[in-house]
Amino acid sequence: DVKVTQSSRYLVKRTGEKVFLECVQDMDHENMFWYRQDPGLGLRLIYFSYDVKMKEKGDIPEGYSVSREKKERFSLILESASTNQTSMYLCASNSGGTGSEKLFFGSGTQLSVL
Amino acid sequence: SQKIEQNSEALNIQEGKTATLTCNYTNYSPAYLQWYRQDPGRGPVFLLLIRENEKEKRKERLKVTFDTTLKQSLFHITASQPADSATYLCALAPNNAGNMLTFGGGTRLMVKP
Repeated sequence: DVKVTQSSRYLVKRTGEKVFLECVQDMDHENMFWYRQDPGLGLRLIYFSYDVKMKEKGDIPEGYSVSREKKERFSLILESASTNQTSMYLCASNSGGTGSEKLFFGSGTQLSVL
Repeated sequence: SQKIEQNSEALNIQEGKTATLTCNYTNYSPAYLQWYRQDPGRGPVFLLLIRENEKEKRKERLKVTFDTTLKQSLFHITASQPADSATYLCALAPNNAGNMLTFGGGTRLMVKP
């Protein structure tokens, strides 16, 4: 069974802390994505990566950075967490293909910034 | 601006009936559209994909239509069951955006026994 694993299910951090959210996929997918999901706003794309060390900004990259040092791992970094970054964070991956490949999602990390 | 709209109000239907969910979009020329199911506390799971040159797609009790003139996709679940209760998300990719899917806000479906 294909799998996208997010390291934490729930996370509580303080304002100003540096936060790392980790995601690992076991499907040898080229593309990996970070979304955040908020009530009423749906899923919004933060960053995506189409290859090791490559990244593209999504719709809401401000306040976030990413790292992809290995093909299977994609990290989301909050340099200085703020309360408005309290959200559900979802990692996803798919193969490069024609660009119509379905996304495989992890179970999400519910981050609370106090 | 570009927008994807799904009915934010929950859809309540009786078991056995057909559920119809709507996805409308503006200022997009999507190459394809996808539908996902999301259960509480879980990540979305892919259900169906329909391309711009396809009118209809079926998979078991699911049917998706895609009208690029109306800029609308309809998602139908026939003979609905309580286990179909979940939030359903549509997502589309503009022609020039490759893998960058944009999601609608989702519609919550409640199927009552």
